[in-house]
Amino acid sequence: AIQMTQSPSSLSASVGDRVTITCRAGQGIRNDLGWYQQKPGKAPKLLIYAASSLQIGVPSRFSGSGSGTDFTLTISNLQPEDFATYYCLQDYTYPWTFGQGTKVEIK
Amino acid sequence: EVQLVQSGAEVKKPGESLKISCKPFGYSFTSYWVAWVRQRPGKGLEWMGIIYPGDSDIKYSPPFQGQVTISADKSIGTAYLQWSSLKVSDTAMYFCARPREVGTQAWLDYWGQGTRVTVSS
Repeated sequence: AIQMTQSPSSLSASVGDRVTITCRAGQGIRNDLGWYQQKPGKAPKLLIYAASSLQIGVPSRFSGSGSGTDFTLTISNLQPEDFATYYCLQDYTYPWTFGQGTKVEIK
Repeated sequence: EVQLVQSGAEVKKPGESLKISCKPFGYSFTSYWVAWVRQRPGKGLEWMGIIYPGDSDIKYSPPFQGQVTISADKSIGTAYLQWSSLKVSDTAMYFCARPREVGTQAWLDYWGQGTRVTVSS
């Protein structure tokens, strides 16, 4: 299985900050990667697919980049509703695998 | 509107069997894969496996192979996740999700609300 290493595991930030989360794949996965946001007690929500495509309805302050093994999720101008846990998921090959998650907390 | 509706919370004892369900609405059940994802209390997301109801093709993640059974009933448009003998370590929230496929890529664009399974003696 392809290991997805996400960092950091947690971070503290303030409203208005720019936040960057990274995900590294154990082997090349082209751009077959999505980013998901999860709030406590809720199902995950798709933010970004194919590494850099914004899902319909997701605010433009979310952006993704990367290809091959290194990927980034950036949240510009962090808003109160963005405090959550974020996961990457590779769909390049079965079994699909998630990163360990990054919890974004309020500073 | 696409929705995936999961069965309700379960409380079971170790060794008991269990089958939880996921019923999609708003699209053709046999035309999309259905994935299952586990989340243990306070932990991250784990991809368990996926089924294509059209032909019952199933892919399991190795840690879950032999531990759970994924199935689907086309006649009633429902996907299932089942255990023959539960363990305390199966205590978790279980989500089903629908991948949208474009070419060789896919992403989980619709999710069920989750089924909480508690296994305790």
